[in-house]
Amino acid sequence: DAMVIQNPRYQVTQFGKPVTLSCSQTLNHNVMYWYQQKSSQAPKLLFHYYDKDFNNEADTPDNFQSRRPNTSFCFLDIRSPGLGDAAMYLCATSTQSSAGILYGYTFGSGTRLTVV
Amino acid sequence: GEDVEQSLFLSVREGDSSVINCTYTDSSSTYLYWYKQEPGAGLQLLTYIFSNMDMKQDQRLTVLLNKKDKHLSLRIADTQTGDSAIYFCAEKGKGSSASKIIFGSGTRLSIRP
Repeated sequence: DAMVIQNPRYQVTQFGKPVTLSCSQTLNHNVMYWYQQKSSQAPKLLFHYYDKDFNNEADTPDNFQSRRPNTSFCFLDIRSPGLGDAAMYLCATSTQSSAGILYGYTFGSGTRLTVV
Repeated sequence: GEDVEQSLFLSVREGDSSVINCTYTDSSSTYLYWYKQEPGAGLQLLTYIFSNMDMKQDQRLTVLLNKKDKHLSLRIADTQTGDSAIYFCAEKGKGSSASKIIFGSGTRLSIRP
């Protein structure tokens, strides 16, 4: 089945040690998103790629970076994780047509990051 | 600007109907969505509605859209224990936000026997 896959499901990292979370998709969607979700809160968009164009949210800390080497993969790099970065990280994909219609906004199962 | 608001909690008895409400601020919103999130999982798209529709029904789910009041609701008929989750209302952004959707804070639905 076509889907959005996030690895790993759970990630433990040390305070200040760089960590990378990965997302892959078989939907061939042109837009990929990274969200941060803390307990009992709405997902907060960090950034998204529209094809190869990177779009950062204004309030996303510099500590968070992203890479999209090809259509199928997108990575979230946290350069120096702090205790406040412990959260669920959700990847999502969608297709946006030239008319601006957004289709098939699909989420992965998330990676729960613990910082020790 | 775009903003989506929901009440935080709803408790219903098993077998009753659940109605989760949402208000949004952008009267030109084109698409509105309902997502379900079970504990420790990602968000699952339940249903969506175009702004030119008033109602959409899909099995136990009914979405009602009142464009005049900018009010969206999700009704779950015959609520089951498996319906326990957080339900997020969302709207499609526009302009510089056109490639993303804006989420409400989520309503936690709990089912009592």
